[in-house]
Amino acid sequence: TQLLEQSPQFLSIQEGENLTVYCNSSSVFSSLQWYRQEPGEGPVLLVTVVTGGEVKKLKRLTFQFGDARKDSSLHITAAQPGDTGLYLCAGDQTGANNLFFGTGTRLTVIP
Amino acid sequence: GAGVSQSPSNKVTEKGKDVELRCDPISGHTALYWYRQSLGQGLEFLIYFQGNSAPDKSGLPSDRFSAERTGGSVSTLTIQRTQQEDSAVYLCASSLVPSGAYEQYFGPGTRLTVT
Repeated sequence: TQLLEQSPQFLSIQEGENLTVYCNSSSVFSSLQWYRQEPGEGPVLLVTVVTGGEVKKLKRLTFQFGDARKDSSLHITAAQPGDTGLYLCAGDQTGANNLFFGTGTRLTVIP
Repeated sequence: GAGVSQSPSNKVTEKGKDVELRCDPISGHTALYWYRQSLGQGLEFLIYFQGNSAPDKSGLPSDRFSAERTGGSVSTLTIQRTQQEDSAVYLCASSLVPSGAYEQYFGPGTRLTVT
């Protein structure tokens, strides 16, 4: 059973287009993180959101944590080929030692 | 400074053999995690170490899997009698603060192929 479901699973877009990746759950999380992973490497943290309704911007990336702290989204404006990678959301639950990772979204940005 | 390192980077083994995967965390990080990732998908938690506390083994899929962390630093994940379904990338991560809410720094992973 996967606590966090991401959609879409695969996304291929042209350079310059906008896109949104969703991370959904029926469970509540204390915080939620987004990671990006490139081939042959481990995931690298992009952002952590901790407050329901919180919006964080990182250059062309906008992250939102749902009001009920059960879901999150990642919006990329004017995608670049360098944005290509596997995007993973990961939630933290009180009392758990580990992060619960989402199913992943593989993004390809075509030049 | 040095990040998390893992060895070997690739391991091919025959079904039924035992394998050992090594993780060197970032110096000073007290928390260490092992995850498994199949076919570029999400990560599956395996085991967690924090200082001298008993490890959280709740994610280990079977008793063929075990892990140690010596001296609060290097960790070894051992898989006995490997099966084809064990084929995956095994990722190690360390964290300065022992909580899932804090950034976990990942190594590059060990790609295990069981033939």
